[in-house]
Amino acid sequence: ETGVTQTPRHLVMGMTNKKSLKCEQHLGHNAMYWYKQSAKKPLELMFVYNFKEQTENNSVPSRFSPECPNSSHLFLHLHTLQPEDSALYLCASSHSRAGGGEQYFGPGTRLTVT
Amino acid sequence: AQKVTQAQTEISVVEKEDVTLDCVYETRDTTYYLFWYKQPPSGELVFLIRRNSFDEQNEISGRYSWNFQKSTSSFNFTITASQVVDSAVYFCALRGAGNQFYFGTGTSLTVIP
Repeated sequence: ETGVTQTPRHLVMGMTNKKSLKCEQHLGHNAMYWYKQSAKKPLELMFVYNFKEQTENNSVPSRFSPECPNSSHLFLHLHTLQPEDSALYLCASSHSRAGGGEQYFGPGTRLTVT
Repeated sequence: AQKVTQAQTEISVVEKEDVTLDCVYETRDTTYYLFWYKQPPSGELVFLIRRNSFDEQNEISGRYSWNFQKSTSSFNFTITASQVVDSAVYFCALRGAGNQFYFGTGTSLTVIP
């Protein structure tokens, strides 16, 4: 596998379910990100991890719980979601250094909350 | 404050026309990085180009070209002889000294055959 992978690609869940999104990067990066992209809305940064440590949490509701066990893997645990949480969830990674490297994105998980 | 503005929400052009996508940024960092991404209907954001703040040289890659002007805080993207496959949402982004990226709201480009 190369680049950034995300599973599952599509997910339908009820409001009482618990599910997890997985992201894996094979680029040797050490910063990882979760973004939410709703229809007709701009990208919303949710979380940033740098060397496995969370460095940004943009006022994300607690029903979204991130986990970063190592620099290559990132999870987003979901529970008791609301219909307005339906969106495309994108994972990205980048080098974490002053060189300012670009982000590489995964294909996204399209989430529908019923 | 860090901010990226893409004032053009939607653009439609006829195939083979040239089109320029505008990007204006704000930053207080003396060293920063600018990016363009393409998001086709499939959803994945595809990295197109990175430009460092200390390198104002314009770049051309095939039908794509980028014009970076620090004096006007702009980093515009031109597609020459547009094709239907260019239809996508294009995002401009800014990175300062840290790990956070600031994205514009995107410009949706439709190329009509």
